[in-house]
Amino acid sequence: GIQVEQSPPDLILQEGANSTLRCNFSDSVNNLQWFHQNPWGQLINLFYIPSGTKQNGRLSATTVATERYSLLYISSSQTTDSGVYFCAVVFRREYGNKLVFGAGTILRVKS
Amino acid sequence: KAGVTQTPRYLIKTRGQQVTLSCSPISGHRSVSWYQQTPGQGLQFLFEYFSETQRNKGNFPGRFSGRQFSNSRSEMNVSTLELGDSALYLCASSLMGLAGGGAEQFFGPGTRLTVL
Repeated sequence: GIQVEQSPPDLILQEGANSTLRCNFSDSVNNLQWFHQNPWGQLINLFYIPSGTKQNGRLSATTVATERYSLLYISSSQTTDSGVYFCAVVFRREYGNKLVFGAGTILRVKS
Repeated sequence: KAGVTQTPRYLIKTRGQQVTLSCSPISGHRSVSWYQQTPGQGLQFLFEYFSETQRNKGNFPGRFSGRQFSNSRSEMNVSTLELGDSALYLCASSLMGLAGGGAEQFFGPGTRLTVL
């Protein structure tokens, strides 16, 4: 069936380290978004990136649509980067237009 | 521009009761979609409303329903609450909705429902 898989499930970093989070998806997508869920539960938009590369400060993302994966890069991590990172897609085929979420990557940044 | 707002932020109900949650989208956005987040099932799509019409529905029982008003505000209702309905309920708004891939989705802060 349709799937969105994120890796790693858990990541512990020392402050200042860099990290790469991966999102694999099982079919062609029209929409791909990365979110950071804060401790209060709100999903904060990081990137809307169905294809290509974008950068925003210490964060950048790349989606290779033809190979069905996306990467989120976090450089010089800070303790405020801690939380859960979700990848979510809308599949191109008619599986029902909806955001399908991965299980998330739990990131802990230690000072 | 104000973001997506949800009320109430927290709710405690008992089994068998019903509950109504509210979501106000970003001004000008016509699509509101709802998601349920639980530790066991993760984030799951409930339904989407666009211009007062339900466009898509996830795999949830009929106890979960919704509606959208002419000002794009949306409500979600859960009847005959069960313990398993305890969850964080998130709504998202977008300009043109999820059809055809859709535009960027923006989420509200969520309503945390506890069913005792």
